[in-house]
Amino acid sequence: AQSVTQPDIHITVSEGASLELRCNYSYGATPYLFWYVQSPGQGLQLLLKYFSGDTLVQGIKGFEAEFKRSQSSFNLRKPSVHWSDAAEYFCAVAPGVDSSYKLIFGSGTRLLVRP
Amino acid sequence: EAGVVQSPRYKIIEKKQPVAFWCNPISGHNTLYWYLQNLGQGPELLIRYENEEAVDDSQLPKDRFSAERLKGVDSTLKIQPAELGDSAVYLCASSLAAGSTGELFFGEGSRLTVL
Repeated sequence: AQSVTQPDIHITVSEGASLELRCNYSYGATPYLFWYVQSPGQGLQLLLKYFSGDTLVQGIKGFEAEFKRSQSSFNLRKPSVHWSDAAEYFCAVAPGVDSSYKLIFGSGTRLLVRP
Repeated sequence: EAGVVQSPRYKIIEKKQPVAFWCNPISGHNTLYWYLQNLGQGPELLIRYENEEAVDDSQLPKDRFSAERLKGVDSTLKIQPAELGDSAVYLCASSLAAGSTGELFFGEGSRLTVL
């Protein structure tokens, strides 16, 4: 069965520092991978997605993620964090782009930003 | 363009009472989803509609939960009777078609507290 693991429940970084949020998945084939962000009181918003091709994908708000098949990982990065990035981040996996409704979400990582 | 609209945003009820949540998807989106998000967890799919047809309701607890999407636009999710364990956020999402771009657009959610 597919699963997604986000090993860090909370991460705190200083404003301006770099950020990396970890995501590991369990799936037999190459899945379709997503990162969503949920700000307090808001719905989830898609940051970026990986279907195929270049393993480094760019997203909105200056985020990027790298797919590493050998490590079954899809870590999210940002070179310089802004206070407005404080939110909860969810990694998700789907078995195929035509099956995106079968999204399986990780349990999320809450990002706190120190001034 | 208006996003996915959900109401009510918050609902507090006593156990054994009924409750209903309403969702208006983005105009033109044929696929509508209801997700359950427990505290500290990622969303989990309850039911998916393609137009007015429920094509995946395998995760919907049918003894107390029901949903409908009349005319293939708005949708209602009902719980009757509610139990303490139903306290959670109920998220509605929509997409153009299942997997058309891999992007789901989420509403802000309806937070249910059962006392």
